[in-house]
Order: sequence, then C-alpha cells, then structure tokens
Amino acid sequence: DGGITQSPKYLFRKEGQNVTLSCEQNLNHDAMYWYRQDPGQGLRLIYYSQIVNDFQKGDIAEGYSVSREKKESFPLTVTSAQKNPTAFYLCATQSPFYSTDTQYFGPGTRLTVL
Amino acid sequence: GQQVMQIPQYQHVQEGEDFTTYCNSSTTLSNIQWYKQRPGGHPVFLIQLVKSGEVKKQKRLTFQFGEAKKNSSLHITATQTTDVGTYFCAGPKAGTASKLTFGTGTRLQVTL
Repeated sequence: DGGITQSPKYLFRKEGQNVTLSCEQNLNHDAMYWYRQDPGQGLRLIYYSQIVNDFQKGDIAEGYSVSREKKESFPLTVTSAQKNPTAFYLCATQSPFYSTDTQYFGPGTRLTVL
Repeated sequence: GQQVMQIPQYQHVQEGEDFTTYCNSSTTLSNIQWYKQRPGGHPVFLIQLVKSGEVKKQKRLTFQFGEAKKNSSLHITATQTTDVGTYFCAGPKAGTASKLTFGTGTRLQVTL
C-alpha cells in the first residue's frame, strides 16, 4: 500500500522446494510483519521485526524463516517443513514500533505449491 | 490467548440496505482498528478508535467502540456495490502495542 512492494504477485512451486517472498518498503518504517491468509480466513502473524537484525516469531512461525539485514527489506522464506504453504502472504509495516499506529499492507503474494 | 471474533461471517445485502458487523474481543483493548479488504486485494486501514464509547463517522460508515473497550461495531448506511469486501477489526495483542490481533472478518456482498 503506497511504498510497500511484494514480489512476485503469483508464485508457483513444487512441493519440497524452499521459496523466498520479497517485501520492500520505502516508508522508513521501523517495524515489519509477515501474515498468512487462507481463503475466507483472517490474518495470522508469522514473523515480525522491530529493528534491523532482530526479529520475533509470531503465532505460526513453524516452517518459515526471515531475515532483516536492511531496514527496507524483510524477506520471508517458506521452507519445505511448512506442511500447507499454499496461501496468500501479506507483508505489512508499522511506525513507530512502540505505538498503536496503523499497519500498512503490501499487495501480497499468492503462493501455490503444486 | 486473546481472541477477536466478528459476526456475521458473511452477509449478502441488496444495494441500499444497511449493514452492520460486530467485533468482540476476549480482552480489553487499548484501541480498535478497522480494515477493509477488497476481493483479491490487501487490507487497507479505515479508522482507529481509542476512547471508551467513542463514535466516529466516515460518510456512510459509522464506527463505535464499546464502553468496556471489548467490542466494536461498523455500520454502513445504504450500502453500495463499492462497499463489497471483507471488513476486519484489529486490536493490540494483550501486553504489547506492537502486534495486532485481527478479527475473523465479515465478508459483505452487495447486489443490485
């Protein structure tokens, strides 16, 4: 949403392959988040990061990994350990971190594992 | 753990009818936020309510925050086809202002 890019929009992978989803932001926001959304469902938090080189597990971190080497970037890797990876993945930012400010979402990546 | 439920899960109305979705949290919230997600799109922030009993309006949309700060509602007057989408409420996870718990969502379908 204005300043947050996720690529690709659609991604197809074979079962057993790791795949990395990109999330880039130019909003200069400190906090970044990854959510998973299944059809007809709400948003579930996978990982989040407060600052560079620091990140925390969310509610459903198993089978996923992240890195935060730059403030602008927060890539998510879906590993082969994730049992049901097919879903809509949303990246979001929030600034400042220790506040109740709103979250801004990227356009999302739809991952389908064949 | 903290749970945020919304009812109904789905509602289908004819254009011009009113619509209301209700959000209920298992814990007291410091604030409640509402987001709209169009079909195929991503959630977009609509509004934030902070005070007990607060009411805010955005054109045909009226948002309320309950007195106990555990529930909220979104009412749309005279729906239009542009209102189609899923409406989510969200509140800070208990003990932290940095993470949000999203409600289960209410999907609104509007037909002519």
